[in-house]
Amino acid sequence: DAGVIQSPRHEVTEMGQEVTLRCKPISGHDYLFWYRQTMMRGLELLIYFNNNVPIDDSGMPEDRFSAKMPNASFSTLKIQPSEPRDSAVYFCASSLAGGVATGELFFGEGSRLTVL
Amino acid sequence: TQLLKQSPQFLSIQEGENLTVYCNSSSVFSSLQWYRQEPGEGPVLLVTVVTGGEVKKLKRLTFQFGDARKDSSLHITAAQPGDTGLYLCADIDNYGQNFVFGPGTRLSVLP
Repeated sequence: DAGVIQSPRHEVTEMGQEVTLRCKPISGHDYLFWYRQTMMRGLELLIYFNNNVPIDDSGMPEDRFSAKMPNASFSTLKIQPSEPRDSAVYFCASSLAGGVATGELFFGEGSRLTVL
Repeated sequence: TQLLKQSPQFLSIQEGENLTVYCNSSSVFSSLQWYRQEPGEGPVLLVTVVTGGEVKKLKRLTFQFGDARKDSSLHITAAQPGDTGLYLCADIDNYGQNFVFGPGTRLSVLP
């Protein structure tokens, strides 16, 4: 079975440009998460969805960041305008609803973003 | 807001040595997970522990959950270069929905 698929794997852009990261979760999973990972701050939750509905976006840094999930098989994370401090690896993850003993996050391979 | 701490931050050892890494929380864990992240990849789940005092073994890896459910340890016996990676602990909220990660322990096992 295919895992979580993210694109692009790498993106280099200039400050001020719009960046769109894409994610296809595992089929049948009803939770989707966007995380950002940096050496300084570790793995930070940005936003998560349940059944395509945003549940908690308190981790979204500022209005320059937006995320959508138009259907169960696709999500985007957009940064507009991008800044050098947005440089990080962005991970998408999905999970199947379950209790505390059965929840498991399945991560994609990440999108490495460099903003010059 | 729950804070997860992991120690040590970095660990470099020779192949064949044993090691232990730790995860501590400012509050009681609902349940605790350990993930391993290899370079260029996303984290992968190793184990979930739920009950205070629980011990789980996965080949050369032994996971312990503290009796008070505020700390956990991961012990690796006879480490191998393939164990190299970032070890992350994570808490799941009471509904099994949201996952909060610690900063991780970066392990390097030298051949």
